[in-house]
Amino acid sequence: KAGVTQTPRYLIKTRGQQVTLSCSPISGHRSVSWYQQTPGQGLQFLFEYFSETQRNKGNFPGRFSGRQFSNSRSEMNVSTLELGDSALYLCASRPASAGETQYFGPGTRLLVL
Amino acid sequence: LAKTTQPISMDSYEGQEVNITCSHNNIATNDYITWYQQFPSQGPRFIIQGYKTKVTNEVASLFIPADRKSSTLSLPRVSLSDTAVYYCLVGDLAGNTPLVFGKGTRLSVIA
Repeated sequence: KAGVTQTPRYLIKTRGQQVTLSCSPISGHRSVSWYQQTPGQGLQFLFEYFSETQRNKGNFPGRFSGRQFSNSRSEMNVSTLELGDSALYLCASRPASAGETQYFGPGTRLLVL
Repeated sequence: LAKTTQPISMDSYEGQEVNITCSHNNIATNDYITWYQQFPSQGPRFIIQGYKTKVTNEVASLFIPADRKSSTLSLPRVSLSDTAVYYCLVGDLAGNTPLVFGKGTRLSVIA
């Protein structure tokens, strides 16, 4: 079974631009979560989507948004990029059932100049 | 959300058994304990998960005492390739709360 895939793997943007990252979960998984990882703050939870609805949300500004499609694929958007948004963005998927853990993709490395 | 406390770093020689302990004093009845391994610039990789007592798979064992306020990840006979950051997470896997990562334990395996 294919794992979680994320595109693109690397991205360079400039301040003020916006960016959209994509995540394709493991087949059959209905929950997708997004995390931001930086050297200073570690792995921080952004939000989780389940059946196209946001189920949980972390403590990030409104510039960070996401959505999930009917096929469970998810996108994350960051508007008005800031230098501090440079990070590894990780997507994880899991089945809906209790007791199932989540599996991570390889991440998208975003550099904001 | 249950918070976890782990040692910041550990060193070990190749071939030794490594035990990393995680404290989670306010774990809830419906919470599971999960451990992940992460190499630089890669996504975390699932290692093992459990609810109580002992769980073993092909790469690690997880020991959870009866009060479930802590857990210990045991890595048998580590090699240089086990050098990584290890995260302990506690969360409700039904999805009612998100999984929260702590700072993790940076394990360095020395030849």
